[in-house]
Amino acid sequence: KQEVTQIPAALSVPEGENLVLNCSFTDSAIYNLQWFRQDPGKGLTSLLLIQSSQREQTSGRLNASLDKSSGRSTLYIAASQPGDSATYLCAVIKAAGNKLTFGGGTRVLVKP
Amino acid sequence: NAGVTQTPKFQVLKTGQSMTLQCAQDMNHEYMSWYRQDPGMGLRLIHYSVGAGITDQGEVPNGYNVSRSTTEDFPLRLLSAAPSQTSVYFCASSYNLGDNYGYTFGSGTRLTVV
Repeated sequence: KQEVTQIPAALSVPEGENLVLNCSFTDSAIYNLQWFRQDPGKGLTSLLLIQSSQREQTSGRLNASLDKSSGRSTLYIAASQPGDSATYLCAVIKAAGNKLTFGGGTRVLVKP
Repeated sequence: NAGVTQTPKFQVLKTGQSMTLQCAQDMNHEYMSWYRQDPGMGLRLIHYSVGAGITDQGEVPNGYNVSRSTTEDFPLRLLSAAPSQTSVYFCASSYNLGDNYGYTFGSGTRLTVV
C-alpha cells in the first residue's frame, strides 16, 4: 500500500526566506506527482504536476523536484511572502486506476 | 468558468437522513472521484469512476453510494447519515492517464451530521 509522508507538519519562516517542503512515498511505481495548495476552509489548488519521466518542474517562484528511485519530491518556494501562508499537499498518482494518495500536508506560516 | 462545481457548499443533516452531494465538471474529464478530508486523517478516497457507467470503491466507501450516468456528473449519496460522516467532501476530476494531466478539485462541501 502506498504511503505518502510530508515532513515537517508545520513550518514558520520570516518573509523573504526560501521554503523547502518535503514529500516521501513508499512505492516508486508512480505515474505522476502533484503538489497542491490549500487555504483555510478552501479547496485544493494545483501548483505543479511532475510526470514520472521528469525530474523537476518550475512555475514562477515554485520549483518541484522528483526522485522516483529514492521516493522523494521537494517543493521549493523562493523568497517567501505572507501570501504563501497555506497548507501544501503532495499527492502521488499510481498508474492503476489513476487514484491519488495524499500526504498529510505541511502547514506554512510566513511572518511579515 | 471551466472546472469542477460542487453543491451545496454547506449542509447540516440529522442522523439517519439521506442526501446527495452534487459534482459536475465541464472539462470532458474521464476520471472523477470523491475524497473526504478529516483533521489528522488527510484526504481519503471514497469512490471513483474511470468513465460513464463505471464506478469503483476507494479506501473508505462504507455508507456512500455513487453512480455515473454521464461524463459530466458524479453525485455522492449518503444513504443514512451518521456523525462519523461529518467531514469536508471534495470532488475531483482528471483526463485520461495517458494525457499526463493532473487533477482538478472542486471547492468542497462541508457536511455536519448531528
